[in-house]
Amino acid sequence: ETGVTQSPTHLIKTRGQQVTLRCSSQSGHNTVSWYQQALGQGPQFIFQYYREEENGRGNFPPRFSGLQFPNYSSELNVNALELDDSALYLCATGTRGTGELFFGEGSRLTVL
Amino acid sequence: GQQLNQSPQSMFIQEGEDVSMNCTSSSIFNTWLWYKQEPGEGPVLLIALYKAGELTSNGRLTAQFGITRKDSFLNISASIPSDVGIYFCAGQNNQGGKLIFGQGTELSVKP
Repeated sequence: ETGVTQSPTHLIKTRGQQVTLRCSSQSGHNTVSWYQQALGQGPQFIFQYYREEENGRGNFPPRFSGLQFPNYSSELNVNALELDDSALYLCATGTRGTGELFFGEGSRLTVL
Repeated sequence: GQQLNQSPQSMFIQEGEDVSMNCTSSSIFNTWLWYKQEPGEGPVLLIALYKAGELTSNGRLTAQFGITRKDSFLNISASIPSDVGIYFCAGQNNQGGKLIFGQGTELSVKP
């Protein structure tokens, strides 16, 4: 176990709705990143947070947004859900300046 | 943008056999990491490599950071049924920064 916990594990939404996914960081870690993993693909980087500010963003539209809290936990928010947003959303935490990132078990989002 | 090509896409082997998989990139990375993912779970870090030419082991797993910094390989010796899963390579330029993943190698082990 990595100590990175995500909730909820599964959820179903309909097109146009909004979703919030949550992540609790492993103790001692100060960065949190979010990845989207479509079926049969490798994870794709969405963004990273450090010191409560966005610190790098992948090729995702602005309707994907996030927060990092003082206790290093994090949220991923997705507005105006589309069918293609159906995927496993992974949170990864680490320590700035070290390469290793540790993943949670993910939140499986289905958009109908 | 940077892309990783991971091969083979899938492997079907007999228990006890050795396994080799690799990852190549169109550009250099400063760090290579290897992860294993099982169904319904997140990727689990196996090995991290930080220096060109570095060879690192973790039990039956051995990984190398290519001299050109554009490739890496992972070997698994004497495979066992619990090695089943999808193995991903990932490259990183800024330590602790974004990871770029390959498409994975799915490993099946026949007892």
